[in-house]
Amino acid sequence: QSVLTQPPSVSAAPGQKVTISCSGSSSNIGKNYVCWYQQFPGTAPKFLIYDNVKRPSGIPDRFSGSKSGTSATLDITGLQTGDEADYYCGAWDSSLSAVIFGGGTKVTVL
Amino acid sequence: QVQLVQSGAEVKKPGASVKVSCKASGYSFTGYYMHWVRQAPGQGLEWMGSINPNRGDTNYAQKFQGRLSVTMDTSITTVYMELSRLTSDDMAVYYCARDLGSSSMGSWGQGTLVTISS
Repeated sequence: QSVLTQPPSVSAAPGQKVTISCSGSSSNIGKNYVCWYQQFPGTAPKFLIYDNVKRPSGIPDRFSGSKSGTSATLDITGLQTGDEADYYCGAWDSSLSAVIFGGGTKVTVL
Repeated sequence: QVQLVQSGAEVKKPGASVKVSCKASGYSFTGYYMHWVRQAPGQGLEWMGSINPNRGDTNYAQKFQGRLSVTMDTSITTVYMELSRLTSDDMAVYYCARDLGSSSMGSWGQGTLVTISS
C-alpha cells in the first residue's frame, strides 16, 4: 500500500484533458515538493514535473503540475495516443525520512 | 549529457546476495545524490535508499535496513547497490536515479532485472 494515493486509471479521448490526483499527508506533500514521472512499458521512468510545477527542458507544456495542501495534481491537456503510459507522483516524507511514491495511474487514450 | 549505465541482468538463488552497479558520466559525480528504486513485475515504484557521493553517507528505507548496502567508488564514478538474503519478493527491475534536489530524480539508469530462482 503506497503512502501517496493515486487513482489506478484515468482515460479520455484524443485532444481532451485528464487530471491525475496524488493525495498525501502533512509529512510529505504538505511540507515538501512533489514530482511526477512518466513510464512506458519496459522502460525506465522519465522525469516529467519537479518542485510541484516545474517542467524539465523538453517536456511539453501540455503537462502541468499543481499542489494544494496535502494533494497534488498532474494535468495532461491535448491528450495524444503517445501519452498512454503509467504516471507516478513522488515526494520526500519527513516523518519516514524516505522518498515515497504513489501507486501509479494508467492513462488510456480512448 | 548525463548517463547512468547499469550492470546486466542477474539470476540469484534464494538466500544469496546481488550487487548491481551504476556507472555515472556527464556531470560532477560528487555533486548529486544517487537513489536506488525498484519495481516488481506489474507493480509500482519503490524507493530503497540513497547515497551522498560527496560524503558517502547513506539513507535506507526502513524496509531494507540490515540487508541493503549502497556504496560508491568515486575514482570510477560508480555507485553500487547490494541486497542480501534475497527472497522471491526481491524479484524486480532495479534502477539507479540521480537526484536533482527536492528528492526529484532527473536521470535514470536503464534498469537491471534481478531474477530469483532456485
